[in-house]
Amino acid sequence: GESVGLHLPTLSVQEGDNSIINCAYSNSASDYFIWYKQESGKGPQFIIDIRSNMDKRQGQRVTVLLNKTVKHLSLQIAATQPGDSAVYFCAEKSWAGGGNKLTFGTGTQLKVEL
Amino acid sequence: DSGVTQTPKHLITATGQRVTLRCSPRSGDLSVYWYQQSLDQGLQFLIQYYNGEERAKGNILERFSAQQFPDLHSELNLSSLELGDSALYFCASSPGTGDVAYEQFFGPGTRLTVL
Repeated sequence: GESVGLHLPTLSVQEGDNSIINCAYSNSASDYFIWYKQESGKGPQFIIDIRSNMDKRQGQRVTVLLNKTVKHLSLQIAATQPGDSAVYFCAEKSWAGGGNKLTFGTGTQLKVEL
Repeated sequence: DSGVTQTPKHLITATGQRVTLRCSPRSGDLSVYWYQQSLDQGLQFLIQYYNGEERAKGNILERFSAQQFPDLHSELNLSSLELGDSALYFCASSPGTGDVAYEQFFGPGTRLTVL
């Protein structure tokens, strides 16, 4: 079955440093991945997505890298700020029968130290 | 603010009881999704509705059911509640469904505590 997992449960970084959050997936047929940010007491918030025909996509201060050979996904946050402190999830989107769903990884807690 | 609203914000009930969680999607969105977030299971997809019809189903228990009404709001019904049903329940919405990468917008969640 599908599974999306994360390597590290907690990541601590200094303010201003770059953060890298990793994610492994097992379904080689997966073709669409999304990173979500979840702040305490809130629902997940879309950060950036990438399709399997790409290996890199950039947003504002964020970059997602996709390595299909080793089924690995990473989220890079440049110049990490205190407001980036949250739990980050990678998710795989799949479609079937006219519907779709997200399969989430276990999450990584990012802590930004001042 | 995602534009998705969920009520109530908190719900405390006893084992064996039944509760109803409500979700209003963003204006114009036709798809509604329900997810459960618990400490041991993480974020798990339960069910999707599109324009009133069930379109995708995850590991939703038989004790749980959902529906989407003509005004597009959705309700998740949880019955014969057990302690393990204590979790955050999120609703998300998107404009459409099918093989298109519509973004899902999540509501603030309902925290259910079963005592």
